[in-house]
Amino acid sequence: GDSVTQMEGPVTLSEEAFLTINCTYTATGYPSLFWYVQYPGEGLQLLLKATKADDKGSNKGFEATYRKETTSFHLEKGSVQVSDSAVYFCALGNTGTASKLTFGTGTRLQVTL
Amino acid sequence: EPEVTQTPSHQVTQMGQEVILRCVPISNHLYFYWYRQILGQKVEFLVSFYNNEISEKSEIFDDQFSVERPDGSNFTLKIRSTKLEDSAMYFCASKSRGQETSPLHFGNGTRLTVT
Repeated sequence: GDSVTQMEGPVTLSEEAFLTINCTYTATGYPSLFWYVQYPGEGLQLLLKATKADDKGSNKGFEATYRKETTSFHLEKGSVQVSDSAVYFCALGNTGTASKLTFGTGTRLQVTL
Repeated sequence: EPEVTQTPSHQVTQMGQEVILRCVPISNHLYFYWYRQILGQKVEFLVSFYNNEISEKSEIFDDQFSVERPDGSNFTLKIRSTKLEDSAMYFCASKSRGQETSPLHFGNGTRLTVT
């Protein structure tokens, strides 16, 4: 079945540092890939998505590129801020599955001054 | 921006009791979901609902669980006889279209604590 593997957290960075959160997936067919973010006390919010190979999703300075050859969708940001502290979830959505999402375990990011 | 709203934000119940978790999806959305997240674990799919019926459910969604859309706005998850292991954060989600490219919109969740 479909699965998503994310790097273990927590990730602790200083403000303005470069961020990478690794995500790899296993799926049949041609899934869509998503990053969701969960700020403290809030629900899951869509951060960005990519729907086909080589697509790059971007939002709020975050980027991720859909790499079919490496089955990866790593999240990157060039310069993190304290306000980026949250839990980040990689997810995939596949055809024929009622469009449900399969999530990774989430990676907690803590950004300090 | 329209939101998915969930009530209550926190529910405490005793083992064996019935609970109903409530959700109001975004008004023009047609596809509805429940997910749960046990503390420290991944977000897990429970059930999807479309056109007034369940379209898919996971193995977690056993006979103790049921969903209902009793009117045009609410979407509820009922747990008939709660167990300790049902303690989790439960998220409701909705989307406007069925395609896998269409993102889910999540509520803030209901934290269920079974004692």
